[in-house]
Amino acid sequence: DIQMTQSPSTLSASVGDTVIITCRASQSVKTWLAWYQQRPGKAPKLLIYKASTLESGVPSRFSGSGSGTEFTLTISSLQPDDFATYYCQQYNSYSGFTFGPGTRVDIK
Amino acid sequence: EVQLVESGGGLVQPGGSLRLSCAASGFTFSNNWMSWVRQAPGKGLQWVANIKQDGSEKYYVESVKGRFSISRDNAKNSLYLEMNSLRDEDTAVYYCATMSTSSYGFDIWGQGTMVTVSP
Repeated sequence: DIQMTQSPSTLSASVGDTVIITCRASQSVKTWLAWYQQRPGKAPKLLIYKASTLESGVPSRFSGSGSGTEFTLTISSLQPDDFATYYCQQYNSYSGFTFGPGTRVDIK
Repeated sequence: EVQLVESGGGLVQPGGSLRLSCAASGFTFSNNWMSWVRQAPGKGLQWVANIKQDGSEKYYVESVKGRFSISRDNAKNSLYLEMNSLRDEDTAVYYCATMSTSSYGFDIWGQGTMVTVSP
């Protein structure tokens, strides 16, 4: 099975900061990598799919990059609504879908 | 409005059974792969099961194989998850979601229904 890791697990930042979250896969997932935002008590929200494609309606301050085993989610000019937990998720035809453990973005 | 609404969660004893439902509206349900994803209290997300548009293909995470069964009724715009032989570790919020075949991401989510497995 493909294992996903994320770093850091928690990140403290201020409004206006640029934040970078890293996601690593235990083997290549090509670009079958998505990013989600989850606020407390709410369902996850798809932000980015196929590693770098922004979901419709998602602000352009969110961007994704990477391929193979290493991926990043960048949030430019952090806004108050962005304080949440972020998950990466991979798809592989043999092992199905796996999420990373999450990165919580807190207010500094 | 595009919407998924889960129901059927509750408290069940270990070894018991429960059936979750998910009602879809605002989009063409029969055109979409559908999924269940769960989240244990204070933990991360775990994909549970997928079903193809016509129900002809179903996939499960290893830990629920043989115990859970995903199904759908396109005439009723509804998705189901039959859960048997429930264990403590099945305690979670269960979300239904659409799965995009162009991205293999989950793009529409319901609000979730809580399943608690406890004596």
